[in-house]
Amino acid sequence: NAGVTQTPKFQVLKTGQSMTLQCAQDMNHEYMSWYRQDPGMGLRLIHYSVGAGITDQGEVPNGYNVSRSTTEDFPLRLLSAAPSQTSVYFCAVRQFLTDTQYFGPGTRLTVL
Amino acid sequence: AQKITQTQPGMFVQEKEAVTLDCTYDTSDQSYGLFWYKQPSSGEMIFLIYQGSYDEQNATEGRYSLNFQKARKSANLVISASQLGDSAMYFCAMREGRGGGADGLTFGKGTHLIIQP
Repeated sequence: NAGVTQTPKFQVLKTGQSMTLQCAQDMNHEYMSWYRQDPGMGLRLIHYSVGAGITDQGEVPNGYNVSRSTTEDFPLRLLSAAPSQTSVYFCAVRQFLTDTQYFGPGTRLTVL
Repeated sequence: AQKITQTQPGMFVQEKEAVTLDCTYDTSDQSYGLFWYKQPSSGEMIFLIYQGSYDEQNATEGRYSLNFQKARKSANLVISASQLGDSAMYFCAMREGRGGGADGLTFGKGTHLIIQP
């Protein structure tokens, strides 16, 4: 997972609070995405970006915002956290025209 | 209907034995990609192996091989000579569409593999 960093590693929020999960890469890959992993489930796509200035929704986008102003960074924003957003969040990157996605180490978020 | 089905929630295997983890998929696309990821208890997602739908040969990466049976829509992961460090969750995933674009991955629910000494 070298090249993809996520901060923070752990976070506890109260319902209604806002926060931003950070994802940064130094691999110069065009495609970046956010997934969430809930207990007993595989990962589900939240939002993705095919390049700076271009973002779109995945399977479970509600409650999350994204923007991408640079190739390197793709932050995920929770504007008003809800207990249903308690999950582990993974950022992933890949090169365009290739298939393999590489994941960051994850952020474990708990919303009380 | 689930797009990726992993029917083995958990498996116990003796060290040094070969392991087969099952994965079936459902897609109407002609072009797609299949992946396996390993998630140890530390939580990171580690890419293991990839198979494209047009690849005629089964993918191999060291001790990992992917048994791709297109007509049966199965993409089983085979781990040869299992080691204690192979104990982890294993996820099968699929990318539909032509690839290279905005295609995310769809994941199965995973198989928890435990290697016993």
